[in-house]
Amino acid sequence: ETGVTQTPRHLVMGMTNKKSLKCEQHLGHNAMYWYKQSAKKPLELMFVYNFKEQTENNSVPSRFSPECPNSSHLFLHLHTLQPEDSALYLCASSQDGLEMNEQFFGPGTRLTVL
Amino acid sequence: AQSVTQLGSHVSVSEGALVLLRCNYSSSVPPYLFWYVQYPNQGLQLLLKYTSAATLVKGINGFEAEFKKSETSFHLTKPSAHMSDAAEYFCAVSGPLANSGYALNFGKGTSLLVTP
Repeated sequence: ETGVTQTPRHLVMGMTNKKSLKCEQHLGHNAMYWYKQSAKKPLELMFVYNFKEQTENNSVPSRFSPECPNSSHLFLHLHTLQPEDSALYLCASSQDGLEMNEQFFGPGTRLTVL
Repeated sequence: AQSVTQLGSHVSVSEGALVLLRCNYSSSVPPYLFWYVQYPNQGLQLLLKYTSAATLVKGINGFEAEFKKSETSFHLTKPSAHMSDAAEYFCAVSGPLANSGYALNFGKGTSLLVTP
């Protein structure tokens, strides 16, 4: 595997389900990000991890719970979601989280909440 | 706070025509600017970035962008559009986070349609 991978690619869940999204980066980076991409809205930054430490929680509801066990893996745990949470969830990574460094994105998980 | 505005949510060009996608930035300090492309059902791919080394930045797939401080712009261009260029294009600026580190602030995106 190369780059940033995300699983699953598609997920359909009911509002009472619990599921997790997984992201893995094979680039040796140490900053990882979760973004939400909804139709007709700009990409919304959700969480940032630098060296496994969460450095940003962008006012995300507690039904979204991130986990970063090491610099290569990032999870997003989901529970009691709402239909408006349906979106494309993108994971990204960058080297050192520096201002000039670009982020590398995974293909995303298309989430549908029924 | 650093932000970008993309003018035109949809742009349509003929195959072989010039592509011009507009992006204006707002920043109190010299910005780091990026253009990304997103093809259907895929993540974002970096086209190019500006880090103050040169005002004209060349990227992948024949795209380039020019940083103009006087106009606070970073427009993306390509001399001749291909059908394969049809995608969503995002301009972004790097900005500081509240606690530490940086993240990208994205524009709303411009959907490029290329017609035969």
